[in-house]
Amino acid sequence: DGGITQSPKYLFRKEGQNVTLSCEQNLNHDAMYWYRQDPGQGLRLIYYSQIVNDFQKGDIAEGYSVSREKKESFPLTVTSAQKNPTAFYLCASSRDPSNTGELFFGEGSRLTVL
Amino acid sequence: GQQLNQSPQSMFIQEGEDVSMNCTSSSIFNTWLWYKQDPGEGPVLLIALYKAGELTSNGRLTAQFGITRKDSFLNISASIPSDVGIYFCAGLRYGGSQGNLIFGKGTKLSVKP
Repeated sequence: DGGITQSPKYLFRKEGQNVTLSCEQNLNHDAMYWYRQDPGQGLRLIYYSQIVNDFQKGDIAEGYSVSREKKESFPLTVTSAQKNPTAFYLCASSRDPSNTGELFFGEGSRLTVL
Repeated sequence: GQQLNQSPQSMFIQEGEDVSMNCTSSSIFNTWLWYKQDPGEGPVLLIALYKAGELTSNGRLTAQFGITRKDSFLNISASIPSDVGIYFCAGLRYGGSQGNLIFGKGTKLSVKP
């Protein structure tokens, strides 16, 4: 079945460590996105990519990094520079890079910093 | 920055009741979308609206794109236990990059069986 797979679903990290969240899609979508969700908050855009080997910062990119070496994959690295990394991270893709707002989301990865 | 004001923040209703929630902004949007997020999962698109005044249904769900283009409404008829979750509105400005898709903070719906 087509879809978006995020891993791991739960992750614990010590302060000062970098951690990479995986996002893979087999929907043949060109555009992929990373959002952060905090309790009682809407989704905030971290990074997005409309095509392979290209990506743009979203509203809260500081302390995060991404790569887009393959169409299917868009990993997110949470670096030690991110001051408050504990959150629920959502990866999404869309079939239309020109942006209709119609996103397909993965099941999310919950990161907890100990 | 742009903000979407979504209300109510939470609702606790009896099964079978109708539900209404809305999203407003001081900015004009060209697309309004409604997503639902089940606990521990990613959001799923329910309805997308592309034209001012548009009224669209998806089963028991009905959403409207406000005439002023600054608001949108979602109604759920005859609620059932599986309607539990968080409903997010999202607005998209014309010609913007993906960075111009703005999400509301969500309406958390709880239903008594």
